[in-house]
Amino acid sequence: GDSVTQMEGPVTLSEEAFLTINCTYTATGYPSLFWYVQYPGEGLQLLLKATKADDKGSNKGFEATYRKETTSFHLEKGSVQVSDSAVYFCALKETSGTYKYIFGTGTRLKVLA
Amino acid sequence: DAMVIQNPRYQVTQFGKPVTLSCSQTLNHNVMYWYQQKSSQAPKLLFHYYDKDFNNEADTPDNFQSRRPNTSFCFLDIRSPGLGDAAMYLCATSNRAGGTGELFFGEGSRLTVL
Repeated sequence: GDSVTQMEGPVTLSEEAFLTINCTYTATGYPSLFWYVQYPGEGLQLLLKATKADDKGSNKGFEATYRKETTSFHLEKGSVQVSDSAVYFCALKETSGTYKYIFGTGTRLKVLA
Repeated sequence: DAMVIQNPRYQVTQFGKPVTLSCSQTLNHNVMYWYQQKSSQAPKLLFHYYDKDFNNEADTPDNFQSRRPNTSFCFLDIRSPGLGDAAMYLCATSNRAGGTGELFFGEGSRLTVL
């Protein structure tokens, strides 16, 4: 079945550092890909998405490119802020005709001032 | 402009005492989901509805039930909560099967079992 593999956390960075959180997937066909962010005590919020190969999703300084050849969707930000501290989930929407979404295990990011 | 609203945000119950969590949506989405999330782990799908069609995950315990009386509302019933059921319960919606759209989540209901 479809799956998402995400780099283990926690990731601790200093403010203004460069961020990369790796995400790779296994799927039949070309699923839509997503990054969600979860702040403490809250639900998940969509951060960005890409629906086809070579699409780049971007939002709030975060970017991720849908790489078909490497089945990857790595999250990047050039300069993190303390307010970016959260848990980040990579996810895909199954292409098998179900309505299901598959989530990675989440990566906790802590940004220090 | 909350679009997926969950109530209550915090629920404390006693071991074995039934609990109902509610979810409402203003998006008119036809698919609604219930997820269980423990300690910032990946959300675990319990079940979902496509319109009134109910789809239970194979590993969802019988202790968990759901109702969807209309498009806007969905309920999660935990018939006899155990200590292991303490978690954040997330409701989500999506627009339709086969689309590329994202999930829209509520703020979650955190369940504590004493």
